Amino acid sequence: AQSVTQPDIHITVSEGASLELRCNYSYGATPYLFWYVQSPGQGLQLLLKYFSGDTLVQGIKGFEAEFKRSQSSFNLRKPSVHWSDAAEYFCAVGGGDYKLSFGAGTTVTVRA
Amino acid sequence: DGGITQSPKYLFRKEGQNVTLSCEQNLNHDAMYWYRQDPGQGLRLIYYSHIVNDFQKGDIAEGYSVSREKKESFPLTVTSAQKNPTAFYLCASRTGILNTEAFFGQGTRLTVV
Repeated sequence: AQSVTQPDIHITVSEGASLELRCNYSYGATPYLFWYVQSPGQGLQLLLKYFSGDTLVQGIKGFEAEFKRSQSSFNLRKPSVHWSDAAEYFCAVGGGDYKLSFGAGTTVTVRA
Repeated sequence: DGGITQSPKYLFRKEGQNVTLSCEQNLNHDAMYWYRQDPGQGLRLIYYSHIVNDFQKGDIAEGYSVSREKKESFPLTVTSAQKNPTAFYLCASRTGILNTEAFFGQGTRLTVV
């Protein structure tokens, strides 16, 4: 069975500081991995995705994520956070049967 | 404009009544999904379908039912058997290619009183 674990429920970061959100997945074969962001009152927006190839993927809004098969991880990073990055972030894993599973999310608060 | 339409945005029902949430997409996507979002629990998969007339249970299918009679439509019925139906429900769709992302509707907030 596939699943996603996001260990951090809530992260507070200062504006301009770096951010890293953790994601661990469970899936028996090569996974399809996604990061989404949900701002208050907004729908879910795709930040980036990984399927194969280079394990470091670039996304929108200055985000990047690194796939590490040995650790079953797909952590999201941003070098310098802006106040507009305050939102909830979801990691998702997809499999060959079209099932798409999400984690519990990490809420990011940005302080001035 | 192409997209996913969920209706209504807010829905109120009395306990014990079945209620159907609508999800329509005009993106020509093969796969469609229903998720339930509760604070602190993320998005939990209820049902999904990757082809007309076929669908699979997700992780929390008990108390819910779906149909997929048309490619563009994937209605979700919340039955009286669902113990805690008050929640925010999200519908999503994506193409038949597995490495593509899902696109989401704006959601329906269901309140059962």
